[in-house]
Amino acid sequence: QFVLTQSPSASASLGASVKLTCTLSSGHSSYAIAWHQQQPEKGPRYLMKLNSDGSHSKGDGIPDRFSGSSSGAERYLTISSLQSEDEADYYCQTWGTGIRVVFGGGTKLTVL
Amino acid sequence: EVQLLESGGGLVQPGGSLRLSCSTSGFSFYIYVMGWVRQAPGKGLEWVSSISGSGGSADYADSVKGRFTISRDNSKNTLYLQMNSLRGEDTAVYYCAKTGGSGNYNFDYWGQGTLVTVSS
Repeated sequence: QFVLTQSPSASASLGASVKLTCTLSSGHSSYAIAWHQQQPEKGPRYLMKLNSDGSHSKGDGIPDRFSGSSSGAERYLTISSLQSEDEADYYCQTWGTGIRVVFGGGTKLTVL
Repeated sequence: EVQLLESGGGLVQPGGSLRLSCSTSGFSFYIYVMGWVRQAPGKGLEWVSSISGSGGSADYADSVKGRFTISRDNSKNTLYLQMNSLRGEDTAVYYCAKTGGSGNYNFDYWGQGTLVTVSS
């Protein structure tokens, strides 16, 4: 079964950097993913598509502070110079057979 | 500017039906796979269904298969979700989303969502 695994929570200080992880299940390490941000009481917002080689393409208006990288079955979202508005839930997403979509469970980021 | 606007949510009794609509603009609607994603209160994002650009192919999460039907009207740039035999666990905000195209099925634009509440 195709699964994306994320840590439930993460925290980092204002102005610091944080690296969030999304792990693809066995046999799916070549898959690209997308990262989405959901601020409190808002709908999701697309951040970027992240390929297995670490190349990524960001959505409209996404600041340079957001970047992606990959290693094996791991996909990372790094947020630098953390701001208060970065406190949000972050979801990874990919697609399996055909047009079937898979979401990770999400990581709740707290900015201290 | 890409815009997605959902409508049709509301309060419905268990066993009832509801049809959601997603009106779109700012892109060539007929080209893109479109999808519905929901979020139950306090929970994460759950994919519900997706449909190909032509409407000829669709897929569903196991939790809604046989009860929900996704469709689209490319002449109206509108996506639909017909929800039948609704259950309490279908209570959620339902989001319409556009994919990236060219075999890239990640969602790159989202609507603001419409709330569906299933309760007696």
